[in-house]
Amino acid sequence: SQQGEEDPQALSIQEGENATMNCSYKTSINNLQWYRQNSGRGLVHLILIRSNEREKHSGRLRVTLDTSKKSSSLLITASRAADTASYFCARSDAGNNRKLIWGLGTSLAVNP
Amino acid sequence: GAGVSQSPSNKVTEKGKDVELRCDPISGHTALYWYRQSLGQGLEFLIYFQGNSAPDKSGLPSDRFSAERTGGSVSTLTIQRTQQEDSAVYLCASSLDGQSYGYTFGSGTRLTVV
Repeated sequence: SQQGEEDPQALSIQEGENATMNCSYKTSINNLQWYRQNSGRGLVHLILIRSNEREKHSGRLRVTLDTSKKSSSLLITASRAADTASYFCARSDAGNNRKLIWGLGTSLAVNP
Repeated sequence: GAGVSQSPSNKVTEKGKDVELRCDPISGHTALYWYRQSLGQGLEFLIYFQGNSAPDKSGLPSDRFSAERTGGSVSTLTIQRTQQEDSAVYLCASSLDGQSYGYTFGSGTRLTVV
């Protein structure tokens, strides 16, 4: 399948803990993006990391990219109940960057 | 507008009827995408518009599905002779250039075919 693979499929943590989600792929990429989705709708773009970048930060979010291992991770630090959502990685393949290829997502539950 | 607007937000239709879903992208965004998402699943690509280029229709599941984008702005996704398997949330997104920027998604249209 062209789809990326995310793990874990589901993650449950307590407020204040860190959450790490991983995404693996098999192609050469132009960039990789992370999105959050609440309540089955409302996809929100979080971070875009380009193939020549290794790490990006946005607030409590940290994304890393290892192109040699063809993997990326999203770290949410000091999680909050409001972080409860599904998180998707989506990649733009090199030479075919007209559309994103989406993973199936990680469902994160942050318990108060 | 400030965001991507989709209408209707919910649509219930009888099997065999045609439906039209509308997407109004962010002004100035040249790229527009349609995806659909079934319950608990990832996003399935349907069609992509980029400026004046021919659309990428490679994701349309059958010839019952078609889409157009008028004047490089508003897009309409049409499903003819709807089937129960067409039930899903249809998501529209736009992007500044379709290559280097993230997508902004609308809230989607939840289509239920009964």
